[in-house]
Amino acid sequence: QSDLAQPASVSGSPGQSITISCTGTSSDVGAYNYVSWYQQHPGKAPKLMISEVTNRPSGVSDRFSGSKSGNTASLTISGLQAEDEADYYCSSFTRSSSWVFGGGTKLTVL
Amino acid sequence: QVQLQESGPGLVRPSQTLSLTCTVSGDAISSGNYYWNWIRQPAGKGLEWLGRIYSSGTSNYNPSLESRVTLSVDTSNNQFSLRLISVTDADTAVYYCARGPFGLAAFDVWGHGTMVAVSS
Repeated sequence: QSDLAQPASVSGSPGQSITISCTGTSSDVGAYNYVSWYQQHPGKAPKLMISEVTNRPSGVSDRFSGSKSGNTASLTISGLQAEDEADYYCSSFTRSSSWVFGGGTKLTVL
Repeated sequence: QVQLQESGPGLVRPSQTLSLTCTVSGDAISSGNYYWNWIRQPAGKGLEWLGRIYSSGTSNYNPSLESRVTLSVDTSNNQFSLRLISVTDADTAVYYCARGPFGLAAFDVWGHGTMVAVSS
């Protein structure tokens, strides 16, 4: 199975908004509303930021939001802050009852 | 507060078997409310889901690794384990265990990860 496609890097200035895309197929992203997003700082374990396309776990800032259209999901971070600089991964459940991740996007806060 | 802790050898010889255990504290695997997952990450690369197991022993695997991966669960010790056979240097990675709640479709709690190197 192939990874979901994410841009390798995105950047933005403090206070700006950025969007990270995650493109899959009708067998994964397009099949279910089971897309999640993870933030990973260097040397740390990933942290769940968004589940089931749009749901924010308790404790996650409302500056993080998710959406989906067809086979592409997106993560938007508004009001960028320095601590948002990290790697971001999307993940989707698939029709074969397995999970697939995106290749990851490095967010740089300028 | 639930915590997951990976344990196992940090070095495995090529062609041998990689075995890791994840110990769960703060929740009972036997509660039946979660799937228990293994995910790995080679240095500088992305995440790869290996498989998941339920308290009953029902499991699902990454199709690309299914022939080499076996998960097991030990509810009496609140642990679940990963076994990966015939390893090569491509299996060198940080291995994470993670919890997947029913009805959430995500991995909400992760272990800190354990580094496993495949080398002679």
